Amino acid sequence: EVHLVESGGGLVQPGGSLKLSCAASGFTFSSYWMTWVRQAPGKGLEWLANIKHDGSAKFYVDSVKGRFTISRDNAKNSVYLQMNSLRAEDTAVYYCARLKYGSSRHTDDWGQGTLVTVSS
Amino acid sequence: DIQMTQSPSSLSASVGDRVTITCRASQDISDFLAWYQQRPGKVPQLLIYAASTLQSGVPSRFSGSGSGTDFTLTISGLQPEDVATYYCLRSNSAPWTFGQGTKVEIK
Repeated sequence: EVHLVESGGGLVQPGGSLKLSCAASGFTFSSYWMTWVRQAPGKGLEWLANIKHDGSAKFYVDSVKGRFTISRDNAKNSVYLQMNSLRAEDTAVYYCARLKYGSSRHTDDWGQGTLVTVSS
Repeated sequence: DIQMTQSPSSLSASVGDRVTITCRASQDISDFLAWYQQRPGKVPQLLIYAASTLQSGVPSRFSGSGSGTDFTLTISGLQPEDVATYYCLRSNSAPWTFGQGTKVEIK
């Protein structure tokens, strides 16, 4: 069974940094693209970033480009999201998800999410 | 960037009704379109991928159609457990984009 567990969320001041982690199990992690998606309180879903199975390709939404960095460690079955220069509007639940990337592209399994609150 | 317009933003229907939600892309995205269900307080769940392929384990009352720019999610026979917000996701090229969501309630 696929299991994704996010951690690292919490309260951070505007301008601060936070690194989220997502530990994966139940599948061959190194064979899958991974993604981060967020959801601000009471709002819709926002796709943030994808990373290729070997880390050689990364894609970001414009609103986080240059501030957030997605990375992975296949030896640790983990994907990360380094978030710098955080703003109040980055307050959200952050989900990691496994990506099916081929003739179709979609997320099939998601973690439970970790809450990031940016506030002074 | 390619924009996704999802409609309606909310709807109320009776149990057993046929419900239709649409997503329109600002340009051709082939069939790179998925649909997700998010029940209140829960994690999003994949319903449909490649525009019309039903994810394993999803009830057959859910179906998807469309290609190019216009896509539809249909619930054939709304059930109480279908109360949720539904999102489309465009994934033909980065940046991927979700639709704005459609909140489905029971009348």
